Amino acid sequence: DAMVIQNPRYQVTQFGKPVTLSCSQTLNHNVMYWYQQKSSQAPKLLFHYYDKDFNNEADTPDNFQSRRPNTSFCFLDIRSPGLGDAAMYLCATSLSPWGNQPQHFGDGTRLSIL
Amino acid sequence: AQTVTQSQPEMSVQEAETVTLSCTYDTSESNYYLFWYKQPPSRQMILVIRQEAYKQQNATENRFSVNFQKAAKSFSLKISDSQLGDTAMYFCAFMRAGAGSYQLTFGKGTKLSVIP
Repeated sequence: DAMVIQNPRYQVTQFGKPVTLSCSQTLNHNVMYWYQQKSSQAPKLLFHYYDKDFNNEADTPDNFQSRRPNTSFCFLDIRSPGLGDAAMYLCATSLSPWGNQPQHFGDGTRLSIL
Repeated sequence: AQTVTQSQPEMSVQEAETVTLSCTYDTSESNYYLFWYKQPPSRQMILVIRQEAYKQQNATENRFSVNFQKAAKSFSLKISDSQLGDTAMYFCAFMRAGAGSYQLTFGKGTKLSVIP
């Protein structure tokens, strides 16, 4: 089945130690998104790629970076994780950025900071 | 800026009964999309139903239907014949229509429990 796959499901890292979360898709969608979802809160968009074009939300901390080496893969890099970065990170894809194309989500990666 | 409000943090319903989850939003846009997403415990978020604002007819997907009141900026979700598998967090979301309108604005969610 075509899908959005996030690895790992659970990630533990130390305070200040860089961490990378990965997302892959078999849907051949043009757009890939990264959301941060803290406990009991709504998902918050961090950034997205439309093909190779990177779009950063204005309030996304500089600590968060992303890479999209090809259509299928997208990575979220957190350069120096702080305790406040502990959250569920959701990857999503869509065929286009327009609202008539729904976003498809992965299972998420739950990040814990020690 | 758009805001989405879900006023019911938690709800419960007996299996086979009907439940309605409420959602209101605020926008100055005339054309937009509204969504309900379902996020089961430890599972991926999936799209339940979508409504285009320019369509007056309420969207329906099997046991799921919406009551879209554009003037009142209300978008409630009705789940009929509730099943145990409907237990999940439900998010209402908004997206502008048109070029560059990529951002989904989510409400804080309603945690629905279906009781056997």
